[in-house]
Amino acid sequence: DAKTTQPTSMDCAEGRAANLPCNHSTISGNEYVYWYRQIHSQGPQYIIHGLKNNETNEMASLIITEDRKSSTLILPHATLRDTAVYYCIVRVGQKTSYDKVIFGPGTSLSVIP
Amino acid sequence: GAVVSQHPSWVICKSGTSVKIECRSLDFQATTMFWYRQFPKQSLMLMATSNEGSKATYEQGVEKDKFLINHASLTLSTLTVTSAHPEDSSFYICSARDLGEKLFFGSGTQLSVL
Repeated sequence: DAKTTQPTSMDCAEGRAANLPCNHSTISGNEYVYWYRQIHSQGPQYIIHGLKNNETNEMASLIITEDRKSSTLILPHATLRDTAVYYCIVRVGQKTSYDKVIFGPGTSLSVIP
Repeated sequence: GAVVSQHPSWVICKSGTSVKIECRSLDFQATTMFWYRQFPKQSLMLMATSNEGSKATYEQGVEKDKFLINHASLTLSTLTVTSAHPEDSSFYICSARDLGEKLFFGSGTQLSVL
């Protein structure tokens, strides 16, 4: 079973920040939080990942709570091209015999003009 | 960034035939690859984990004789859907893990069985 819960869908106005929450209350100490997105009929695209510190790259920012039980993906200035299903995943993040990447339902983000 | 190439992008086949899907890591060595299938409006479902040089590990409910996985080299894994039937029609996606922490996905293969 997926170890994360996310809202089913969200809307965001174009140009505004999109904040996508994720709960992972059973996360283990050695598990990372990863975010991917999938545009219709394409493979998932890596966005960002983190362990416990906040992270930022050219695509997004990742805010992880101090207890690591939840996180938020922030798209600072959403565009129409950001319309996609966003998946929050927890995994060990290194080569191990038990590294499985299980996808939950994700959040369908619609960016509205 | 790392690239995973999946081929073909789409395939149509007759019921009873077999179809092979290839997944290649183009600029890194992938000791582990994962295969997923996805039905319309649903999330990705993990089918199996493929480790180079060893047998694949299948998820519960996935028939290993139906979905043959071969990971003969560090850059190539194949999924063969044997004796395909209409219910096997789906979007199949592979992913490859590099030596670091990241997982990269192919662009997917849409299989339609007539």
